[in-house]
Amino acid sequence: DQQVKQNSPSLSVQEGRISILNCDYTNSMFDYFLWYKKYPAEGPTFLISISSIKDKNEDGRFTVFLNKSAKHLSLHIVPSQPGDSAVYFCAASAGNNNDMRFGAGTRLTVKP
Amino acid sequence: NAGVTQTPKFRVLKTGQSMTLLCAQDMNHEYMYWYRQDPGMGLRLIHYSVGEGTTAKGEVPDGYNVSRLKKQNFLLGLESAAPSQTSVYFCASSRRQGGTGELFFGEGSRLTVL
Repeated sequence: DQQVKQNSPSLSVQEGRISILNCDYTNSMFDYFLWYKKYPAEGPTFLISISSIKDKNEDGRFTVFLNKSAKHLSLHIVPSQPGDSAVYFCAASAGNNNDMRFGAGTRLTVKP
Repeated sequence: NAGVTQTPKFRVLKTGQSMTLLCAQDMNHEYMYWYRQDPGMGLRLIHYSVGEGTTAKGEVPDGYNVSRLKKQNFLLGLESAAPSQTSVYFCASSRRQGGTGELFFGEGSRLTVL
């Protein structure tokens, strides 16, 4: 059962525009959410996170929004840059559980 | 700055062979994890460890064994490899439990089982 879903396998945007990556989850016990970025032949690297007590967290060009009632979160990248081209994974966990669940990933391509 | 190092990076096995993947971290992290990544499936947790001498099962533990004899090392073993274990394996470590702290990943180990 895939408890974290990223329904868009790929997304293409123009440089300077906004990129919006979406993630849905089914487990209402999840209370901590993270986004990871992955370049080819490298391991994922942490990008930004949000606790369920918040609905928004911002870090420079990256903002994560959480809608608990809809069990939905999104990552906004503004403005998008060619160096942002990568696969983005959404992840979620419940309390002190070590079992962090990941989505299948969305491949973002930012065109110059 | 080594971070998390995995060896080997690539390996081809025949069905039934055994092998061990080694993960080493130099960040003095308590927690370590082994994930596998398959197309369309994201990253799935195989086993994890919350400290030296401890191990626990994750989401997909069958067919794998692990050991954490030293704090900095986490070994993943396949006793009898199967084609279904063809995957990219990632090791990760964290300062705190995985649910509340970011994970630091290695570069991955690509395993093919023929």
